[in-house]
Amino acid sequence: AQSVSQHNHHVILSEAASLELGCNYSYGGTVNLFWYVQYPGQHLQLLLKYFSGDPLVKGIKGFEAEFIKSKFSFNLRKPSVQWSDTAEYFCAVGRALTFGSGTRLQVQP
Amino acid sequence: KAGVTQTPRYLIKTRGQQVTLSCSPISGHRSVSWYQQTPGQGLQFLFEYFSETQRNKGNFPGRFSGRQFSNSRSEMNVSTLELGDSALYLCASSPQGSRETQYFGPGTRLLVL
Repeated sequence: AQSVSQHNHHVILSEAASLELGCNYSYGGTVNLFWYVQYPGQHLQLLLKYFSGDPLVKGIKGFEAEFIKSKFSFNLRKPSVQWSDTAEYFCAVGRALTFGSGTRLQVQP
Repeated sequence: KAGVTQTPRYLIKTRGQQVTLSCSPISGHRSVSWYQQTPGQGLQFLFEYFSETQRNKGNFPGRFSGRQFSNSRSEMNVSTLELGDSALYLCASSPQGSRETQYFGPGTRLLVL
């Protein structure tokens, strides 16, 4: 069975700090990996995705993620966060998406 | 293009009742998936429909069912509602549903009393 583990449940950062959110997955099929974001009061939006090719993936709003096959990881990074990045972030794998439990990011101005 | 739309946005039901939720995918998208989001269980896959056929099903009881129409619009039904069915029900669509991005709607928030 596929599973996704997000280790950070709640992260508090100051503006301009760097961000890295961990995601580890277990999946037996072709790996489709996603990061979705849910801003307060809004619906899930895609940040970035990985299907194949370059393991370093760039997404919207300055986010990027690196697929490391040997570590079964797909960590999300951003060099400098903004207050507007306050949201919940979900890592997901597969076609019938299996989601991690989410990481609530709070950015303090 | 207009995004995924879901109706109604909010719903209150009592235990034992049944409910039907509706989802209209992005124009041209043929795959529709449904997810349940709760504080305790997080986001869980319910089922996926493609060309009016259920292609995949999650680990939910038979009280949860769905269908898809020829215009790709989808409905999900929950019969004999239980308190634990209170959740945000999300619909997502994609063009073919294989190695593609799913685009999510705003969800229907169901409260079971």
